[in-house]
Amino acid sequence: EVQLAESGGGLIQPGGSLRLSCAASGFTVSSNYMNWVRQAPGKGLEWVSVIYSGGSTYYADSVKGRFTISRDNSKNTLYLQLNSLRAEDTAVYYCARGGRSGSGSGYFDYWGQGTLVTVSS
Amino acid sequence: DIQMTQSPSSLSASVGDRVTITCRASQGISNFLAWYQQKPGKVPKLLIYAASTLQSGVPSRFSGSGSGTDFTLTISSLQPEDVATYYCQKYNSAPWTFGQGTKVEIK
Repeated sequence: EVQLAESGGGLIQPGGSLRLSCAASGFTVSSNYMNWVRQAPGKGLEWVSVIYSGGSTYYADSVKGRFTISRDNSKNTLYLQLNSLRAEDTAVYYCARGGRSGSGSGYFDYWGQGTLVTVSS
Repeated sequence: DIQMTQSPSSLSASVGDRVTITCRASQGISNFLAWYQQKPGKVPKLLIYAASTLQSGVPSRFSGSGSGTDFTLTISSLQPEDVATYYCQKYNSAPWTFGQGTKVEIK
């Protein structure tokens, strides 16, 4: 059974840093596109970042240069390093697995429960 | 970057009604379009990918169509458990982008 479990969220001051983790089971992280998607309170979904199975990474303009996606294949875990945090980064952060079909892998077939990041002084 | 625009932003319909949500891309994306359902307080759930392929386990009253720039999600007979916000998402190339969402309520 595919499972994703995020951790690492919390309350952090503006300008601070945080590392989110997403432990995966039931599949191999390095064989899939892996994503972070966030949702600010009462708002819609916003894609944040992806790491391809080949290792290439991409970011939303809103986080480029501040956030870094990575993975640890030995731990089957995805990470998101959040630096220079701003109030507008406050959101629930979900990790999501990229789909596996002949029509692309950029959609999200499994989601974790999410971890809340609150940026406030 | 390609923008995704959904309409309407919200709708209210009766149980058994046919409901249609549209999603328009600012540039052509072929059929690289997914739809998600997010019930209040819950994690988003994949409904449809490749514009019209139903994800395993999703009720057949949900269907998707379209290609290029114009797409639709249809609920053939609205049920009380379909109360949710629905999002489209394009994935032809990064950055992936979501629509702003359509909130569906029961009248």
